[in-house]
Amino acid sequence: DGGITQSPKYLFRKEGQNVTLSCEQNLNHDAMYWYRQDPGQGLRLIYYSQIVNDFQKGDIAEGYSVSREKKESFPLTVTSAQKNPTAFYLCASSIVGNNEQFFGPGTRLTVL
Amino acid sequence: AQSVTQLDSQVPVFEEAPVELRCNYSSSVSVYLFWYVQYPNQGLQLLLKYLSGSTLVKGINGFEAEFNKSQTSFHLRKPSVHISDTAEYFCAVSDLGTYKYIFGTGTRLKVLA
Repeated sequence: DGGITQSPKYLFRKEGQNVTLSCEQNLNHDAMYWYRQDPGQGLRLIYYSQIVNDFQKGDIAEGYSVSREKKESFPLTVTSAQKNPTAFYLCASSIVGNNEQFFGPGTRLTVL
Repeated sequence: AQSVTQLDSQVPVFEEAPVELRCNYSSSVSVYLFWYVQYPNQGLQLLLKYLSGSTLVKGINGFEAEFNKSQTSFHLRKPSVHISDTAEYFCAVSDLGTYKYIFGTGTRLKVLA
């Protein structure tokens, strides 16, 4: 089945530690996105990538980093510089030129 | 700046009653419009989308939405809701030629027995 997988589903980390969230897709989509979701705030764009080895900052990129070494993979690192990292993180992908985005199941990160 | 407003944060409705979830957007250019549904602790699933053509768009699970350019609205409707429709619904807008979505803050639909 084609789709987007995110792992793990739940993640707990101590304050001050970097953590990497995985996102993999087998839809052959060129574009991939990372969103952060907080209660009552909808989804906010962290980073997006339209092609391998290239990515752009979204609206709330501070404290996050990404890489796009393969078309299928777009991992997100939440660094210790992110002041309030506890949130639900969603990865999405789309065909370039087609605005419909497909979403993964999400990772809930809790920083203790 | 582009924005999306979902005026109702929560909408309670009885089973088999009709429902309308409101979405207004601001944009100076032509847009694509989307409604997504999210069940607890899950990702978002596309309900329907407006790209061009007919302003009345039909989606999955019996939902439909009407694009009104003069009122910059894209309200979601369902004539008869089920308990299983209880979820959070997000409206999103994307300018033509871009890949970025702007999401509304969501409307939590609660269907009561």
